[in-house]
Amino acid sequence: SQQGEEDPQALSIQEGENATMNCSYKTSINNLQWYRQNSGRGLVHLILIRSNEREKHSGRLRVTLDTSKKSSSLLITASRAADTASYFCATAPLGAGSYQLTFGKGTKLSVIP
Amino acid sequence: GAGVSQTPSNKVTEKGKYVELRCDPISGHTALYWYRQSLGQGPEFLIYFQGTGAADDSGLPNDRFFAVRPEGSVSTLKIQRTERGDSAVYLCASSLERGLGIQYFGPGTRLLVL
Repeated sequence: SQQGEEDPQALSIQEGENATMNCSYKTSINNLQWYRQNSGRGLVHLILIRSNEREKHSGRLRVTLDTSKKSSSLLITASRAADTASYFCATAPLGAGSYQLTFGKGTKLSVIP
Repeated sequence: GAGVSQTPSNKVTEKGKYVELRCDPISGHTALYWYRQSLGQGPEFLIYFQGTGAADDSGLPNDRFFAVRPEGSVSTLKIQRTERGDSAVYLCASSLERGLGIQYFGPGTRLLVL
């Protein structure tokens, strides 16, 4: 079953604009990860944020985590056409089953050149 | 270095047939995972191997699904008596060790059951 819910389901922006995607989840987590998927195939890991972290940066990516609200956001700055893809958040639960990532349904991002 | 590879990339079969999907993890990765992704959905966990043993198969939908990893490297997901509802992309991932690490995904096998 899906734990996370990404919002919005689809997002269309112009090249150069910023894109923000949100993720909400239900249970306590050890960490939260964001992945990108092109053309419905393999997923590429983007960034991992641990439950005791509030914000993390990697290049043009900025991730925030609010464990009290059970939510996370992914910001892509200065978007490029190559950023067009589906973005998924995945949670690793607290406890023994932390390897079992639970994914949301994803946000489909379209960056128009 | 080489990433996770999966074969075949596409598989079309008829209802009732048996299929095998193969996953070659990143060399040295002891943990291996199978996920299934239906159209418009995120991947869903199927099974996790630590070494040769299936440490957690709680995500396998029923007993038609089985996976092995006999030498702790390559894994095969086996589906018996396929049904149309089994049509999906089957993704394999590996990580250096279990638990909190990043999982590296392969390109997936797209299975279509007619």
